[in-house]
Amino acid sequence: AQKITQTQPGMFVQEKEAVTLDCTYDTSDPSYGLFWYKQPSSGEMIFLIYQGSYDQQNATEGRYSLNFQKARKSANLVISASQLGDSAMYFCAMREAEGYGGATNKLIFGTGTLLAVQP
Amino acid sequence: DGGITQSPKYLFRKEGQNVTLSCEQNLNHDAMYWYRQDPGQGLRLIYYSQIVNDFQKGDIAEGYSVSREKKESFPLTVTSAQKNPTAFYLCASRPGRLSGANVLTFGAGSRLTVL
Repeated sequence: AQKITQTQPGMFVQEKEAVTLDCTYDTSDPSYGLFWYKQPSSGEMIFLIYQGSYDQQNATEGRYSLNFQKARKSANLVISASQLGDSAMYFCAMREAEGYGGATNKLIFGTGTLLAVQP
Repeated sequence: DGGITQSPKYLFRKEGQNVTLSCEQNLNHDAMYWYRQDPGQGLRLIYYSQIVNDFQKGDIAEGYSVSREKKESFPLTVTSAQKNPTAFYLCASRPGRLSGANVLTFGAGSRLTVL
């Protein structure tokens, strides 16, 4: 069954340092997409980065990069040079049947990691 | 600016009452979704709609109802049959299946509290 696991309920990081948020997934579908979203205290979900299962290179978006290890079924988010504004909940999510128009487009979410950036 | 507007932001309801949460988007997106978020949990899918006048149940549809009469609007009704309705509700949308885009855009959410 499709499942996303985030084992870190909360993390601290010093400002300007890098931090890795863990995400493992389980699926039997060879075609899937992995997403990371940020949720600040305001509640809105903000899209950060996407990785397709057939993408050859790890995705990067500015200070965000996705460490995609397909054999281990992990998709860890790396935030470089942390800023105070990075303090938020971070969710990993997965969608199966990528490349087929997204099928039902259903996203399955993990339970999230609360990141606190300290000055 | 294009986006998704959810209202109300905060809502209180007495037990036994139905309540409707509004979701409007001006992104010209075909597909719309409702998710529920509880403390310490991720988002769970309630209902989704890929085209007007059509919608499907998600993983936790019991006690909820939706309609999709217009492309821009996807209201969610939390009925008295929903046994534990206190939660944060998020609406989302994305372009149609053939557009090639993959990303869900979310609204700011509605927080429902049952007294």
